[in-house]
Amino acid sequence: GAVVSQHPSRVICKSGTSVKIECRSLDFQATTMFWYRQFPKQSLMLMATSNEGSKATYEQGVEKDKFLINHASLTLSTLTVTSAHPEDSSFYICSANYPSSYEQYFGPGTRLTVT
Amino acid sequence: AQSVTQPDIHITVSEGASLELRCNYSYGATPYLFWYVQSPGQGLQLLLKYFSGDTLVQGIKGFEAEFKRSQSSFNLRKPSVHWSDAAEYFCAVGTGGGNKLTFGTGTQLKVEL
Repeated sequence: GAVVSQHPSRVICKSGTSVKIECRSLDFQATTMFWYRQFPKQSLMLMATSNEGSKATYEQGVEKDKFLINHASLTLSTLTVTSAHPEDSSFYICSANYPSSYEQYFGPGTRLTVT
Repeated sequence: AQSVTQPDIHITVSEGASLELRCNYSYGATPYLFWYVQSPGQGLQLLLKYFSGDTLVQGIKGFEAEFKRSQSSFNLRKPSVHWSDAAEYFCAVGTGGGNKLTFGTGTQLKVEL
């Protein structure tokens, strides 16, 4: 149990376009999901906390207008990178908070390349 | 603010040898502590966690970790490493009620056959 999926696993887009990444909890409901960014050979940096039915909470330094987060249901959160630039190229990982638990279950990540 | 330090960026051990990965944290309250493993291009898998109680916690794949409050440490150990253990290991501290994670910079484990 406790499986989190992400789609797509890899995406290449042109500079200036937008790309949407989906994060789904497959076998549990998650009121809270998290979005992380990981640079090559570096740690995960929390970008934002996504709460079902309310606005996301962004970490300091993360542009909320650039990284749009929507948590429309208890099993789905989406991250949209708007007007993507090459510096947005990164590995984006989501996680979902297991109900009544402090445990987070992570998706397999999405490799975004902006050309 | 909370922080996590993993002093070893790379560690190489021989298959069958014992392993200890170091983790030190800084947090003003009782921490929730986690160890995760990440294989190349993959998400993170939870190895073990400490919330309270027994300071020696057992995890999956034969890993264990010991919480030492006096040293602000949560080191990960395994008595005999397997080649499949080669991966990146992240220590994390949970704050904000436990579910907001701050990660260390990771330790890359290489296993020599």
